[in-house]
Amino acid sequence: GENVEQHPSTLSVQEGDSAVIKCTYSDSASNYFPWYKQELGKGPQLIIDIRSNVGEKKDQRIAVTLNKTAKHFSLHITETQPEDSAVYFCAATRKLGTASKLTFGTGTRLQVTL
Amino acid sequence: DGGITQSPKYLFRKEGQNVTLSCEQNLNHDAMYWYRQDPGQGLRLIYYSQIVNDFQKGDIAEGYSVSREKKESFPLTVTSAQKNPTAFYLCASSSHQAGISYNEQFFGPGTRLTVL
Repeated sequence: GENVEQHPSTLSVQEGDSAVIKCTYSDSASNYFPWYKQELGKGPQLIIDIRSNVGEKKDQRIAVTLNKTAKHFSLHITETQPEDSAVYFCAATRKLGTASKLTFGTGTRLQVTL
Repeated sequence: DGGITQSPKYLFRKEGQNVTLSCEQNLNHDAMYWYRQDPGQGLRLIYYSQIVNDFQKGDIAEGYSVSREKKESFPLTVTSAQKNPTAFYLCASSSHQAGISYNEQFFGPGTRLTVL
């Protein structure tokens, strides 16, 4: 089955600096890679995603890159703000009939300090 | 106001008792999912359902059961056979669009189950 590894497990940056989180996956059938932000005691919220036919996608301060050959993808957050502090999860997705199976990384706890 | 609701937010159960967690969605999504989250770990798939009256086991289905009698509802029962049930449980749903390969999953707020 699919295996997703995520690094680092914790990340502390100063406000205004950039943060980078990296993930690798094992199943070449995975074709959709979402990133979720989870705040304490809440469900994950999708913040950005990338399809397998795209190498990079950007949405304001957030960008994601995908290298299909190397099977890795990364989340980049620029100009970090205190409200970016949360746990971030990457996931690799493949189809299950009309549903889809997400395999999650183990999460990165991002702390943005003033 | 569309979305996924889970109730209750906190649930306490005595060891040996079954307990049912509720998940309701008004997004008209066909597929629904249950995940378990443990501290310091990612989400793991328990069960999923592609359509009413159909469901399949995920990676960690032992000790759990589900039903899908209505499109908008997908309750999860944690049975006494689940050896370590204390966890944060998350429900999700996704739509199915013909010709679209990617289906974003939307998550509910979660239920924290504690076994005493």
